[in-house]
Amino acid sequence: DVHLEQSGAEVKKPGESLNISCKTSGFAFTDYYFAWVRQMPGKGLEWMGIIFPGNSDTRYSPSFQGRVTISADKSFTTVYLQWSSLQASDTALYYCARTAMILHHFDSWGPGTLVTVST
Amino acid sequence: DIQMTQSPSSLSASVGDRVTITCRASHDINYSLNWYQQKPGRAPKIVIYDASILDTGVPSRFSGSGSGTDFTFTISSLQPEDIATYYCQQYDSLPLTFAGGTKLE
Repeated sequence: DVHLEQSGAEVKKPGESLNISCKTSGFAFTDYYFAWVRQMPGKGLEWMGIIFPGNSDTRYSPSFQGRVTISADKSFTTVYLQWSSLQASDTALYYCARTAMILHHFDSWGPGTLVTVST
Repeated sequence: DIQMTQSPSSLSASVGDRVTITCRASHDINYSLNWYQQKPGRAPKIVIYDASILDTGVPSRFSGSGSGTDFTFTISSLQPEDIATYYCQQYDSLPLTFAGGTKLE
């Protein structure tokens, strides 16, 4: 079975760093692309960026370029989303999602990781 | 970036109603459009891809049509389990973009 398991909810202060993860199983990790999608409280879906673990090719939305880092570890079949300095506006639910091609649909989604940034 | 606009933003309907949602792209995206369903507290789920292809296991009461800049998503006979927010998303080019969603109530 295809499985995307995300790390647990986080509560952080502004300026802190954070790394959340999406552990995958049940399929060939390096055959797929993985994206991160943000959903702010009560709002819609925003595509942040995508990575192909097969060659580490990574693309970012201009809205998130420079603000986050997407990475992958083939040994652990896990993708990561990292912030070096969180802001209150980063408070949101973050989903990882799988796609077979960089331009196609997301066929599997993780359950989401809630990140709360507050003083 | 390709801007996606969806209407209506919310829709009140009854069981058995025919429900139609429209999605418009700011540029021609051919057939590169997906529709997702998101139930409260759950991750989104693909319903339709390539504008009109139902994902595996999706009931046939769901359908999609359109190409270019104008697309339509239809539920032919609304069921209680269809209550959700629906999003269209283009994948013609990066950055991938979603419309704002339609909340069915």
